[in-house]
Amino acid sequence: AQSVAQPEDQVNVAEGNPLTVKCTYSVSGNPYLFWYVQYPNRGLQFLLKYITGDNLVKGSYGFEAEFNKSQTSFHLKKPSALVSDSALYFCAVREGKGSARQLTFGSGTQLTVLP
Amino acid sequence: DSGVTQTPKHLITATGQRVTLRCSPRSGDLSVYWYQQSLDQGLQFLIQYYNGEERAKGNILERFSAQQFPDLHSELNLSSLELGDSALYFCASSVQGAGTDTQYFGPGTRLTVL
Repeated sequence: AQSVAQPEDQVNVAEGNPLTVKCTYSVSGNPYLFWYVQYPNRGLQFLLKYITGDNLVKGSYGFEAEFNKSQTSFHLKKPSALVSDSALYFCAVREGKGSARQLTFGSGTQLTVLP
Repeated sequence: DSGVTQTPKHLITATGQRVTLRCSPRSGDLSVYWYQQSLDQGLQFLIQYYNGEERAKGNILERFSAQQFPDLHSELNLSSLELGDSALYFCASSVQGAGTDTQYFGPGTRLTVL
């Protein structure tokens, strides 16, 4: 079974500082990994995904994520945080093989960027 | 804007009632997914349809059912509603429903059961 963990419920960072939102996953085969962001009273917006290839994935709004197979991690990063980045971030995983096509989401991490 | 539309935005109803949530996928997308987001359960996959046929089932209660119509829009039917069914229900769509596809989410329908 596929699963994903976001170990931090809350991350606070000062504006202009780098941010990291952590995610670890568990699948039996190769993982497909996704990051989404949810603003209050809004749907989930896609940020980026890792399917295969380069371990560093670049996405929307200056976000990037690094796939680390040995640590089974896919941490979301941004070099310089903005107050407008404050939102709820979800990591999701799907197994690369098998019939399951649904995403399994982590519990979410609330990011607050302080001015 | 993801291109996925959901109606209604808000729904308030009583226990025991039945409601229908509607979703229109992005133009060209053949696959539709339904998810439930609640405070205690988080984001949970309910069901997936691809080109009118059920493709995968998750933690969907027997009181819930869904279908995808020939024009590819989808409806999620919730019946015999209980207080615990209060949640945000999301629809997502993707091009083919393959494992590598990106799912694009609609704005959600907030269901409140009183």
